[in-house]
Amino acid sequence: GDSVTQMQGQVTLSEDDFLFINCTYSTTWYPTLFWYVQYPGEGPQLLLKVTTANNKGISRGFEATYDKGTTSFHLQKASVQESDSAVYYCVLGNYNQGKLIFGQGTKLSIKP
Amino acid sequence: GPKVLQIPSHQIIDMGQMVTLNCDPVSNHLYFYWYKQILGQQMEFLVNFYNGKVMEKSKLFKDQFSVERPDGSYFTLKIQPTALEDSAVYFCASRNRGGTGQLYFGEGSKLTVL
Repeated sequence: GDSVTQMQGQVTLSEDDFLFINCTYSTTWYPTLFWYVQYPGEGPQLLLKVTTANNKGISRGFEATYDKGTTSFHLQKASVQESDSAVYYCVLGNYNQGKLIFGQGTKLSIKP
Repeated sequence: GPKVLQIPSHQIIDMGQMVTLNCDPVSNHLYFYWYKQILGQQMEFLVNFYNGKVMEKSKLFKDQFSVERPDGSYFTLKIQPTALEDSAVYFCASRNRGGTGQLYFGEGSKLTVL
């Protein structure tokens, strides 16, 4: 079945550092990939989505692209801030079934 | 932005009791979802619901679970009877037809089964 794997459980950076989070996905459908962000005590919220391989999704300084050949999907930001501390989920969307499949999540901690 | 409201935010009950978690989805949305998140772990799909019917459910959606949305009121998740392993945060989500496929999530209902 469809699946998403995030290997980085936790990432700790300093302010203004470069962020790169990667995940891999598996699906028999044409994928739509999302990054959702979850702040403490809240539900996940959409950060950005990418519907076409090698196209770039951009939101709030974050960028993401996915590579169909390697079935990988990454999120990056040039300069992180303390307010970016949260859990980031790589998410696979299946339009036919209308459900989202979440990866394990990457907890980003930013040292002031 | 659009808001999904969940009631209660936290409930503590004894094992074997019944619990109903309530969700007020975004007003014009047609598709409704429940996800389960055990503390510190990933979000896991339970069930999705459209036009009064369950569209798909996962293995986590045990026979003791049920969902309904009577007459456009709250979308509910009922667990009867509850078990210790049902302790988790349950997130409701909704979306509109087509569009971006984006789900809007509530803030979650934390269930503690003793």
